[in-house]
Parts: sequence; structure tokens; C-alpha cells
Amino acid sequence: GAVVSQHPSWVICKSGTSVKIECRSLDFQATTMFWYRQFPKQSLMLMATSNEGSKATYEQGVEKDKFLINHASLTLSTLTVTSAHPEDSSFYICSALGLAGGPGETQYFGPGTRLLVL
Amino acid sequence: AQTVTQSQPEMSVQEAETVTLSCTYDTSESDYYLFWYKQPPSRQMILVIRQEAYKQQNATENRFSVNFQKAAKSFSLKISDSQLGDAAMYFCAYRSWDYKLSFGAGTTVTVRA
Repeated sequence: GAVVSQHPSWVICKSGTSVKIECRSLDFQATTMFWYRQFPKQSLMLMATSNEGSKATYEQGVEKDKFLINHASLTLSTLTVTSAHPEDSSFYICSALGLAGGPGETQYFGPGTRLLVL
Repeated sequence: AQTVTQSQPEMSVQEAETVTLSCTYDTSESDYYLFWYKQPPSRQMILVIRQEAYKQQNATENRFSVNFQKAAKSFSLKISDSQLGDAAMYFCAYRSWDYKLSFGAGTTVTVRA
């Protein structure tokens, strides 16, 4: 149980275009999802917290207009990188937090999305 | 965000031997959770073990166990009978009241055959 998927697993795009990444909890409902960014051989950096039905909250230094997050249902959150530039190239990981009574105290992670902006 | 420190960038262990990864954290909260996650070359984050701060007993999951010292704010991971599949980067993480995770810098574990 507690499986989280991400789509796409990797994407290459041209500078200036927008890219959408989906994060789905497959076998549980997630009131809260998180989006992380990871550079090679570094730790995960929390970008934002996504709550179903409300606006995302962003960590300090993360541009909310560049990284648009939508949490439209209890099983789906999306991250859209708008007007992507080469410096946005990175590995993006989502995680999902279950409802009380489910795997509530633990974040379960998606497999990540590798973004390369040319 | 809480500060989580992993002071060992790399650790090497012989197959079937034991290795211990260190982790310390800084917090003023009394109730929290601690986790160890494994990230193999596939980069999929895998939960290894978790510990609730209010529990005195150290968590154990098969070959993985922790030594949780709340007063010292220390949370080490012991991998017993190391296997080749244990080779990965291991992250210690602190979960605060708002469910956010703060990660350490990670420790790369190499298993020698």
C-alpha cells in the first residue's frame, strides 16, 4: 500500500515553455502533498505544501508564479513549471500524506521527475 | 525548518557486517517523528524506519534498527547483516507538527562484496 506515482518520469523541454508534472496517490487519499527539488548528490529541498482544495504554501525563496501548484482532488496534485529556463533543470519529487487512520504520519514519495530545460 | 545533521558523507561496509549511520537534530518541540529514508540509484525515496519521539522503545524493522536518544537529540541507524542491495544514499529526516520534513545532507553507503 501507500503508492505514489509521478508523471512524466522525465521530460526535456525548450527554454520558455511550461511543463506540468502530476503526482497521484494510487491507493490512499492524500489531504496534503509536498513538492521537493533535488540536485545531484544533494538532499531534498522542500518547495511547497499542497493542500486539497486550498492554495499551496511556498517555502521562502521559491517563486510561486514560476512553480504553480494545484491540488484539485484527494489523489492528485500538479506542479507546473512556467516559462522554464535551464536553471530550472532538476529532479522534482512529490510526496503524499495520508488521512488520519491511514498512513497519516508518514510521507510516501513518488519516483520523481527529471526535468531538463534546453 | 529544523536542522538535521548527518556528519558522515560516506560509509563503507563489508557484506554481512554492520554499519551505523549517525544523525543529530535540533528542535524545541517535544512531540515529533524521525525517519530514515533510503534513496538507491533509481532515486526513489524508500521509507526504512520511523520513530515517534514519545516512544522510549527504539524502532526496529528486520535488519534495520535505530538508537534514539531524545535528550541528546540523536537518532542513529544500524544496518545489520549488510547486503549489496543496501547500497544507497540514506537520509535522516525530522517531521515537525506541520508534517513538513527536514532532511539531513545524506550518507552514501557502499557495500563491499
